[in-house]
Amino acid sequence: QVQLQESGPGLVNPSQTLSLTCTFSGGSISSADYYWSWVRQHPEKGLEWLGYISYSGSTHYNPSLKSRVTISADTSKNQFSLMLRSVTAADTAMYYCAIGGSGTKIDSWGQGTLVTVSS
Amino acid sequence: DVVMTQSPLSLPVTLGQSASISCRSSQSLVYSDGNSYLNWFQQRPGQAPRRLIYKASNRDSGVPDRFSGSGSGTDFTLKISRVEAEDVGVYYCMQGTHWPPITFGQGTRLEIK
Repeated sequence: QVQLQESGPGLVNPSQTLSLTCTFSGGSISSADYYWSWVRQHPEKGLEWLGYISYSGSTHYNPSLKSRVTISADTSKNQFSLMLRSVTAADTAMYYCAIGGSGTKIDSWGQGTLVTVSS
Repeated sequence: DVVMTQSPLSLPVTLGQSASISCRSSQSLVYSDGNSYLNWFQQRPGQAPRRLIYKASNRDSGVPDRFSGSGSGTDFTLKISRVEAEDVGVYYCMQGTHWPPITFGQGTRLEIK
């Protein structure tokens, strides 16, 4: 059974870089035809897709964050990561990692990790 | 980007009654392979979202058959028959046909009257 687990600091200073890791179990991160996404949810708000890294290593980001976000993968550890630079209070949110096939895009979610941007 | 519009945004329902949520997309979600890549997710209070329906009408494993999805093109519906207390939460539609980016509806909050 697929399981995803986010990890990383729960508190980040303004202007710094938010870094989160998602560890995948129940399969291989290198499996063909899968996409590994990050999604965030501001408090009491809806869902915002941040970007993905594919099984082939290609990436694509939400244009609203494109210049600040990087998603990478470490296949040896079955992990993929999110970096969001120059954060502000507006980046305070629950961050989820998710996996999906090439058609369905999001099939399963991690439990999420709350990140607060504050000094 | 494809805009997903859900209605209603708030849905009070009596236990045992049916509930219906509409999701409309700003473009047809029919992909070149004939599928509509429209997912429905349920987010219970304090939990991560979980997928209920994929490709508009396919129920995920373990999802009660009280949940059903329908629609094509730009109009989609999630129906919950015989609403139970455990169905309380926020429901989101999501399109994956015209991506990136993936886009979500605003969410519909289901509550028990």
